[in-house]
Amino acid sequence: DGGITQSPKYLFRKEGQNVTLSCEQNLNHDAMYWYRQDPGQGLRLIYYSQIVNDFQKGDIAEGYSVSREKKESFPLTVTSAQKNPTAFYLCASSADRVRDTQYFGPGTRLTVL
Amino acid sequence: DAKTTQPTSMDCAEGRAANLPCNHSTISGNEYVYWYRQIHSQGPQYIIHGLKNNETNEMASLIITEDRKSSTLILPHATLRDTAVYYCIVRVGDNYGQNFVFGPGTRLSVLP
Repeated sequence: DGGITQSPKYLFRKEGQNVTLSCEQNLNHDAMYWYRQDPGQGLRLIYYSQIVNDFQKGDIAEGYSVSREKKESFPLTVTSAQKNPTAFYLCASSADRVRDTQYFGPGTRLTVL
Repeated sequence: DAKTTQPTSMDCAEGRAANLPCNHSTISGNEYVYWYRQIHSQGPQYIIHGLKNNETNEMASLIITEDRKSSTLILPHATLRDTAVYYCIVRVGDNYGQNFVFGPGTRLSVLP
């Protein structure tokens, strides 16, 4: 099956701990994205990457970090500097950032206790 | 900021057509109109997109007005599984590649 996977679906962490969310795609897409969604709200862009070893900040990058060492993988680290980390995190990919239609993974719901 | 305006919520009877409006009065000539939907606690799902002409695929039809300032997504025979939040997004598809901006969308409830 081709697609985007995110794991785990639910994640719990203690306040002050860094946590890394996984996103993998086997669609051979160049571009990947991370969004955050709060209850009843739309999606907000955290980071995006157009190609391996390159990434750009989105609208709400503070308190987050990413890496893009492989085409298939774009992990997101939620650091202790993120003041309100509890949210639903969505990863997406597209063939390229220009002609793209973005395809989304199932999401990870992070709860910080 | 989202460049679109959508109603907060709508109801539709099962088996009837669901018509979801979107206003994008400031749309530029090179901006596409995209529609996604999100079922509760899942990732958004791409539905359809268009530039000027009406578009149809296996999921829906997209009707764009001649002045391109508004559009309507049509689900021809709504089912209970179509209950979701529907997002209308305008975006340029050029070398600069604007990011998608997801507003709050329209919550569609399909009623039995």
